[in-house]
Amino acid sequence: AQSVTQLDSQVPVFEEAPVELRCNYSSSVSVYLFWYVQYPNQGLQLLLKYLSGSTLVESINGFEAEFNKSQTSFHLRKPSVHISDTAEYFCAVSGYTDKLIFGTGTRLQVFP
Amino acid sequence: DTGVSQNPRHKITKRGQNVTFRCDPISEHNRLYWYRQTLGQGPEFLTYFQNEAQLEKSRLLSDRFSAERPKGSFSTLEIQRTEQGDSAMYLCASSPPPAGQGNYNEQFFGPGTRLTVL
Repeated sequence: AQSVTQLDSQVPVFEEAPVELRCNYSSSVSVYLFWYVQYPNQGLQLLLKYLSGSTLVESINGFEAEFNKSQTSFHLRKPSVHISDTAEYFCAVSGYTDKLIFGTGTRLQVFP
Repeated sequence: DTGVSQNPRHKITKRGQNVTFRCDPISEHNRLYWYRQTLGQGPEFLTYFQNEAQLEKSRLLSDRFSAERPKGSFSTLEIQRTEQGDSAMYLCASSPPPAGQGNYNEQFFGPGTRLTVL
């Protein structure tokens, strides 16, 4: 069985500060890993994904995540956040079947 | 390409009533997924279709829930005899056929249908 743990339910941070949202997963098989973002009153959007290859993956808006197999982690980082990054972030895992297993989410609140 | 659409966006019903939600996937996406998201939780997988075939159902999908995709295009999710515990956001996602064996294709999510059972 697969599972995802997001250790922080809320992360408050000031604008332009760095941020890390933590994600750990459990799986007995090879996995694909994802970060989805949900802005207020909007649907889930894929932020970035790890399928294979380079363990460091980047999004177009400055977020990055690193797949660490030994620590079974896929933490999301951004060196300098903006007010517009305020949203709910979900880590997810997918294995041989395509269904996504989500974590409980981390609410990122960016303050001016 | 207008994205995945879901109707209605909001539904309020009384306990014991039946409700039906509709999902229209992105055209030519042969896979369609249903998830449920309750407050403070991440989305939970309910079921998925490849074309018109329902290939997997979660244990969360009790016998009061039924999903169909009759022509391999839009899908409906029906909940019979609704209970207050059914109150949630119901999300639909679709993905195109994989380019090859072992390849993964991104799931595109709709805006969801928020169900409130009074």
